[in-house]
Amino acid sequence: NAGVTQTPKFQVLKTGQSMTLQCAQDMNHEYMSWYRQDPGMGLRLIHYSVGAGITDQGEVPNGYNVSRSTTEDFPLRLLSAAPSQTSVYFCASSYLWTSGSGELFFGEGSRLTVL
Amino acid sequence: AQTVTQSQPEMSVQEAETVTLSCTYDTSESNYYLFWYKQPPSRQMILVIRQEAYKQQNATENRFSVNFQKAAKSFSLKISDSQLGDTAMYFCAFMKFGNEKLTFGTGTRLTIIP
Repeated sequence: NAGVTQTPKFQVLKTGQSMTLQCAQDMNHEYMSWYRQDPGMGLRLIHYSVGAGITDQGEVPNGYNVSRSTTEDFPLRLLSAAPSQTSVYFCASSYLWTSGSGELFFGEGSRLTVL
Repeated sequence: AQTVTQSQPEMSVQEAETVTLSCTYDTSESNYYLFWYKQPPSRQMILVIRQEAYKQQNATENRFSVNFQKAAKSFSLKISDSQLGDTAMYFCAFMKFGNEKLTFGTGTRLTIIP
């Protein structure tokens, strides 16, 4: 099983550049989300989606854009990269709480460096 | 809003010993889930154990068990007979009932010494 697949795994950007982190899952999960992980701060929720066409902001949404056109894919767009967006990004998915165990399934993470 | 606090940034223990990682949380919710996730050097996040707040019995998974004290809002993880493969960052996390969003603590880096 592929599970949750994130690409790229590593990326270096210059300030002001834009890019998209891709996330795909093959478990037919309704819920998908993006977290960023920074030293000493744990994982913080950026954006999430409970189904195709539905997205909402998490704790730290500024500077990021998402869309959900299919159940499988949930890309994260950095509109104009800033050094403060240097981080490790995780995509995670699950069934909705009404039909699942609450367990989030994570991708392997994407390390982004903004110079 | 919920908060999750892990007050031990780093811990180390000898192989085969028992270690306990602490976690406290703050919430006004009565129904919720608590989780411990493990992040080894590979960076992959792996679910270790899960506890439903309405269950009084503490969850166990092989060598991993929790001490869930609802009134004290405490959720510690005990690892028995620790192994080198337990070396990882451990995150405590909270999920409100009816909501898929996880709130994470800042993590505890655990090192198992051979």
